[in-house]
Amino acid sequence: QVQLVQPGAEVKKPGASVRVSCEASGYTLSDYGLTWVRQGPGQGLEWVGWINTYLGTTDYAQDLKGRVTLTTEASTNTAYMDLRSLRSNDTAVYYCARVFWDDLGNYGVDYWGQGTLVTVSS
Amino acid sequence: EFVLTQSPGTLSLSPGERATLSCRASESVSSSYLAWYQQKAGQIPRLLIYGTSSRATGIPDRFSGSGSGTDFTLTITRLEPEDFAVYYCQQFGDSRWTFGPGTKVEIK
Repeated sequence: QVQLVQPGAEVKKPGASVRVSCEASGYTLSDYGLTWVRQGPGQGLEWVGWINTYLGTTDYAQDLKGRVTLTTEASTNTAYMDLRSLRSNDTAVYYCARVFWDDLGNYGVDYWGQGTLVTVSS
Repeated sequence: EFVLTQSPGTLSLSPGERATLSCRASESVSSSYLAWYQQKAGQIPRLLIYGTSSRATGIPDRFSGSGSGTDFTLTITRLEPEDFAVYYCQQFGDSRWTFGPGTKVEIK
């Protein structure tokens, strides 16, 4: 079955960087897109970006451009999110999730990882 | 700046009632690019509807989506106890995927 496995938590200091991994199983990463979404404490869902895992192209939320990079590693079927210059308001649960599109070009996000809590605190 | 607005912010209803949730976009959205998710407290989001009106695998037919252009609707015909949750719309337009702020459906 499809699974996206993420580490449970990371704790970082302001100004540091974090790399969150997302290991896919049950399917080949390059057959679907991969998106990252974050959710601050008590907040709604915020789109971070997505990667077309076949082409390697990326799009990022305007607010995070320049600080976030999404990549994949085919040999391990793993995706990564790197976030730099961390601030306290980057504290959130970061989800990776699979993006699909059907023959009609309809998009959706069907499988989600359990999320990684990234805490930014001095 | 592209914005999705959801209304109402909170919907207080009883089991068995009909729920109508609205998602309005600041610019026109292709019907292929509008999805709805359900998130219960402490859980990950679940895809309900994609392409405006297509139900995701395993989603009961009491959930339906409709709309076009800038106005989209999620309807739950008869609320079951497990439907009380927060609902988000999402659009996949261009390079600016966006979520709405969510509508909380709570038990009256």
